[in-house]
Amino acid sequence: DAMVIQNPRYQVTQFGKPVTLSCSQTLNHNVMYWYQQKSSQAPKLLFHYYDKDFNNEADTPDNFQSRRPNTSFCFLDIRSPGLGDAAMYLCATSRDKSAGAINQPQHFGDGTRLSIL
Amino acid sequence: AQKITQTQPGMFVQEKEAVTLDCTYDTSDPSYGLFWYKQPSSGEMIFLIYQGSYDQQNATEGRYSLNFQKARKSANLVISASQLGDSAMYFCAMREGEEDSSYKLIFGSGTRLLVRP
Repeated sequence: DAMVIQNPRYQVTQFGKPVTLSCSQTLNHNVMYWYQQKSSQAPKLLFHYYDKDFNNEADTPDNFQSRRPNTSFCFLDIRSPGLGDAAMYLCATSRDKSAGAINQPQHFGDGTRLSIL
Repeated sequence: AQKITQTQPGMFVQEKEAVTLDCTYDTSDPSYGLFWYKQPSSGEMIFLIYQGSYDQQNATEGRYSLNFQKARKSANLVISASQLGDSAMYFCAMREGEEDSSYKLIFGSGTRLLVRP
């Protein structure tokens, strides 16, 4: 089945120690998104890629970076995790992002739950 | 102003009964799409149903239907014959047809549904 896969499901890191979360997709979608979701809150968009074009949300901290080496893979790098970065991180994809494609849902992975010690 | 409002933080429903989860939205765009997602405690975000602003009929997908009242700007999710596995957080979300922001999925704060046996 075509899908969005996130690894690992659970990640524990130390305060200030860089961590990378990964996402892969077999849907061949052009757009990949990274969201941060804290407990009992809605997901918050951090950034997205349209093909290789990176788009950062205005309020995303510099501590968060992303890489998309090819269509299938996208990585979230947290350079110096703080306690406030403990959250669920969700990767999503969509075929297109234009105004003509607003009927397309985003397809989410299972998420990576990040804990900071 | 909130673009997506879900006024019910938590709901209970008896197994096998129907339940309605409320969602109101605010947009000046004539073209928009409305989505409902289910998020079980395990964390994955599951797409349930879509309604387009120009759709004449209410969307249905199995036990899920959308009560779309455009003049009232509401898009309530109706789950018929509730099952224990329906216990989850439910998010209403919107994509607007404005080209610069159409990529963005705007989420409500969610409603936690608990199905009682």
